[in-house]
Amino acid sequence: GAVVSQHPSRVICKSGTSVKIECRSLDFQATTMFWYRQFPKKSLMLMATSNEGSKATYEQGVEKDKFLINHASLTLSTLTVTSAHPEDSSFYICSASWGDYGYTFGSGTRLTVV
Amino acid sequence: TQLLEQSPQFLSIQEGENLTVYCNSSSVFSSLQWYRQEPGEGPVLLVTVVTGGEVKKLKRLTFQFGDARKDSSLHITAAQPGDTGLYLCAGAALGTYKYIFGTGTRLKVLA
Repeated sequence: GAVVSQHPSRVICKSGTSVKIECRSLDFQATTMFWYRQFPKKSLMLMATSNEGSKATYEQGVEKDKFLINHASLTLSTLTVTSAHPEDSSFYICSASWGDYGYTFGSGTRLTVV
Repeated sequence: TQLLEQSPQFLSIQEGENLTVYCNSSSVFSSLQWYRQEPGEGPVLLVTVVTGGEVKKLKRLTFQFGDARKDSSLHITAAQPGDTGLYLCAGAALGTYKYIFGTGTRLKVLA
């Protein structure tokens, strides 16, 4: 149980285009999901907290207009990287919470902007 | 801002050896988690500790939460090549379920 599906696993896009990443909780409802970014050989950096039915809460230094988060249902949160640039290339990972301390991570999306 | 420092950053050991990874902060946490991550994949939750002084065991892994809930350790007994990976601690500030990740410890166990 508590499976999170993240799609796509890899994406290459041209500079200036937008990319949408989906995070789905398959067998549970997640009122809260989290989006992280991970640079090569580094730890995870929390970008934002996605709350179902309300605006996401962004961490300091993360551009809201750049990284659009939508959590329209209890099983789906999306992260859209708008007007992507090479410096946005990274590994993006979502997680969904279940119960008090249960967290399941997606398998991540490797974004390459060329 | 919470900062979670892990030590060591890198560790390369022989199969059968024991090791300890530390996770330290000046902040108090309501709970602390340990994860293991393999390349190209998301982290996998190993354990959550919530009570100061708590010790949890998961086969050859022993996790301890500091009495003051500011630090934690992960001890692996008789390490195996399958233990190789990036170990991450993550702490949630008091009254929240938002986890901030530590700096990570990259472990390599040689056969």
